[in-house]
Amino acid sequence: DVQLQESGPGLVKPSQSLSLTCTVTGYSITSDYAWNWIRQFPGNKLEWMGYISYSGSTSYNPSLKSRISITRDTSKNQFFLQLNSVTTEDTATYYCARGYDDGFAYWGQGTLVTVSA
Amino acid sequence: DIVLTQSPASLAVSLGQRATISCRASESVDSYGNSFMHWYQQKPGQPPKLLIYRASNLESGIPARFSGSGSRTDFTLTINPVEADDVATYYCQQSNEDPYTFGGGTKLEIK
Repeated sequence: DVQLQESGPGLVKPSQSLSLTCTVTGYSITSDYAWNWIRQFPGNKLEWMGYISYSGSTSYNPSLKSRISITRDTSKNQFFLQLNSVTTEDTATYYCARGYDDGFAYWGQGTLVTVSA
Repeated sequence: DIVLTQSPASLAVSLGQRATISCRASESVDSYGNSFMHWYQQKPGQPPKLLIYRASNLESGIPARFSGSGSRTDFTLTINPVEADDVATYYCQQSNEDPYTFGGGTKLEIK
């Protein structure tokens, strides 16, 4: 069964970088699909942040393009999110998810990241 | 960006009755004969769960009480009959155009 699990710090200071890891089990991230980061703000608005595809190509939401990087470690079947220069407005629950044309069928449980001094 | 507008923002439906949720896109989400609109259910403390993909296809394991319809800019999620376990927030999402976007959500309650 495909499972995704986010991990990383729950508290980040303003102006610093947010770094999260998504560990995937039950499916190789190099086989197919896009591997996404999605966040949900307090108040429940959902925002797609970007993905890294099975081939290694990336696509980012233009609203984040200057601050975001998604990379991967295929040997560990993990992919990563880095978001630079965070502000309090980046406080959200961050999800990793598998999907592309057919929607996001598999999600991690999510990790709450709070940006605060 | 394609803006998805859901209506209503909330609705209360009696058990056994029909619930209908609308999602309107600011531009067409159709390409190559497909409508790249998807529907999710989210309960508190859980990630969204995919219910319907490409407008009308039922995701594996989802009860047939859920159905989707529509094309181009107008889409509908129908739950019939509504059960107590359906209390949740429902979101539409498009993947026709980068950046992928979500609707604002519709909260379903039992009357």
